[in-house]
Amino acid sequence: SQKIEQNSEALNIQEGKTATLTCNYTNYSPAYLQWYRQDPGRGPVFLLLIRENEKEKRKERLKVTFDTTLKQSLFHITASQPADSATYLCALPSGTGANNLFFGTGTRLTVIP
Amino acid sequence: NAGVTQTPKFRVLKTGQSMTLLCAQDMNHEYMYWYRQDPGMGLRLIHYSVGEGTTAKGEVPDGYNVSRLKKQNFLLGLESAAPSQTSVYFCASSSWDISNQPQHFGDGTRLSIL
Repeated sequence: SQKIEQNSEALNIQEGKTATLTCNYTNYSPAYLQWYRQDPGRGPVFLLLIRENEKEKRKERLKVTFDTTLKQSLFHITASQPADSATYLCALPSGTGANNLFFGTGTRLTVIP
Repeated sequence: NAGVTQTPKFRVLKTGQSMTLLCAQDMNHEYMYWYRQDPGMGLRLIHYSVGEGTTAKGEVPDGYNVSRLKKQNFLLGLESAAPSQTSVYFCASSSWDISNQPQHFGDGTRLSIL
């Protein structure tokens, strides 16, 4: 089965810097990869989807890259703000049907003012 | 437009008791999912449904049952609760074409089994 590793459980950065989160996967290469944000006590919220034929995707201060050779996705937040503090999850299709997703355990980002 | 609504938000049960968690979505989505989230384990799929009247097992289905009698509702049942089922439960829904649409999550039910 698919296995996902997100670079670290926690990442602290200074406000204004760029945060880079890593999602590594094993086994088969997925057709797409998704990133979600989860705040304490809330459900995950979708941020970005990137397909296997896309190298990069951007949305405002967010950028996602997808390297199928390295089996890795990088998630960048530029000009980070304290409001960006949250847990970020990557997710891949699990291949078990019905568009099921397999989620990583997440990286908890803290942006320090 | 409420999205995905889960009830209750919190519940404490004793071992052996039963309960039903309710998920309702107002986005006319075909697919619905139940996950549990435990520290260090991430979200794990319990059961899912591809449409009204259908259900299927996910990664960790044991000890749970589900029903999808109406398209907008997806119920998760615990027949005889066990302490190992203490967790945060999330419901999600999505349209049939996930490549263009994300999964939409509720805010969870925090369940403690004593």
